[in-house]
Amino acid sequence: GQNIDQPTEMTATEGAIVQINCTYQTSGFNGLFWYQQHAGEAPTFLSYNVLDGLEEKGRFSSFLSRSKGYSYLLLKELQMKDSASYLCAVRGKGNYGQNFVFGPGTRLSVLP
Amino acid sequence: GAGVSQTPSNKVTEKGKYVELRCDPISGHTALYWYRQSLGQGPEFLIYFQGTGAADDSGLPNDRFFAVRPEGSVSTLKIQRTERGDSAVYLCASSLAGESDTQYFGPGTRLTVL
Repeated sequence: GQNIDQPTEMTATEGAIVQINCTYQTSGFNGLFWYQQHAGEAPTFLSYNVLDGLEEKGRFSSFLSRSKGYSYLLLKELQMKDSASYLCAVRGKGNYGQNFVFGPGTRLSVLP
Repeated sequence: GAGVSQTPSNKVTEKGKYVELRCDPISGHTALYWYRQSLGQGPEFLIYFQGTGAADDSGLPNDRFFAVRPEGSVSTLKIQRTERGDSAVYLCASSLAGESDTQYFGPGTRLTVL
């Protein structure tokens, strides 16, 4: 089976740093994605990891450890507009091709 | 360029009716995905097309759900005999199906079954 876990909610202060964790158990692994989703809107792509290590992109960084089935998204210099849900998704291997499994999402609230 | 578009943005229907939801992917993207998302949950995979064929339909919940992509571009998700439990936001995504295979999502269709 496939299972992805994330904390349900997190709160942080404007200007601070926050780390959102994701653990996964999937049948096969072919990459891990982080998406941001504002309320009522479509998910937008943030980052992609397929090898172990840290990927940095501006204020956002994402880390992957395949042996531990673990990833985190690090958000620096938080801004009010970062209040959103953050979705972890793992690309596995289905019987006939590829499929993505999304976690439940972590709702982040950034407070002034 | 234009992103993924979906129509209608909202659909209200009665239990037992048939509905069609349309997705226009980004031009040139060969891979197309359908998901549905309930409030407070992550998107749930339904079906994946590579070109015209359904490469993975393992997420379709039952035989009331069907999707087509006859010319390898626009896709239609069809739901027969709708039930109240089908109410959700239906998201479509497309990708180049390259090495990183980043998916770009449309705005979704909010389906409400009364």
